[in-house]
Amino acid sequence: VQLVESGGGLVQSGRSLRLSCAASGFTFDDYAMHWVRQSPGKGLEWVAGISWSSTHIGYADSVAGRFTISRDSAKKSLYLQMSRLRPEDTALYYCAKSPPGYSSSWSPFDSWGQGTLVTVSS
Amino acid sequence: EIVVTQSPAALSVSPGERATLSCRASQSVGSNFAWYQQTPGQPPRLLIHTASTRATGVPARFSGSGSGTEFTLTISSLQSEDFAVYYCQQYNDWPSFGPGTKVDVK
Repeated sequence: VQLVESGGGLVQSGRSLRLSCAASGFTFDDYAMHWVRQSPGKGLEWVAGISWSSTHIGYADSVAGRFTISRDSAKKSLYLQMSRLRPEDTALYYCAKSPPGYSSSWSPFDSWGQGTLVTVSS
Repeated sequence: EIVVTQSPAALSVSPGERATLSCRASQSVGSNFAWYQQTPGQPPRLLIHTASTRATGVPARFSGSGSGTEFTLTISSLQSEDFAVYYCQQYNDWPSFGPGTKVDVK
C-alpha cells in the first residue's frame, strides 16, 4: 500500500487549495478513504472521510462548508478541495485508508501517507 | 460529536517496565476504538483496533482492553522503539482522536 499526498503549500487566508492523494498497491475502489491533519507540534484531527462508493461522506465541524472530499476511481486518487482557508488550517495533511471490512467511513486507519504541508498566512 | 480524552498527558517509564495508557469517550462507543503510535517525523501507525485486536505485525507486548467509554493500552515491557506519542481514536461515529500521551524515557 502506498499513499502519496501532494498539493500543499503556502497560501493566503481566504484563498483555496486542492490536495491530492495517489493510491497504489491495493484495490482503491474497495476502501473508504480519509484526510487527517496535524498542526505543527499538535495532535491528530480527522478532517473528512468518504466511503468506497462516495455515498457516505462526512466532515469535521471545523471544516464543514469549506472543504470538500472526493475520489476518482479511474485515477485511483483522493482529493480535498479546501476553500476560505484560515490560519488555523495550517497543518500537515495526511491521506489515510480504512481497513478491510469497513464499508462506511466510520473506521480506524490502517495505512497513512507521509503528508503534505499546508501553511495559511494571515 | 464524541469527545475522547487521554491520560496521562505524559508518562516517564524505564526500558523493560510496563506502561499503562488510558482513554475515555464522552459516550459509549462499544468496541469501536483504536490506538496508534507516532514517532517523530513519521505518520501514525495503527496498533490496536476493535479495542483489543492487534493490527498486522504489531508485537504481542502491546495489548488493548475496554469497551463502552473506558479503554486501556498496555505495553508490557517497553523497548527503545516504543518511546513515542500514543493516540486513541473512536469510530462509532465520525472519527475523533484523543490529544495523545507522550511516553518518554525515565
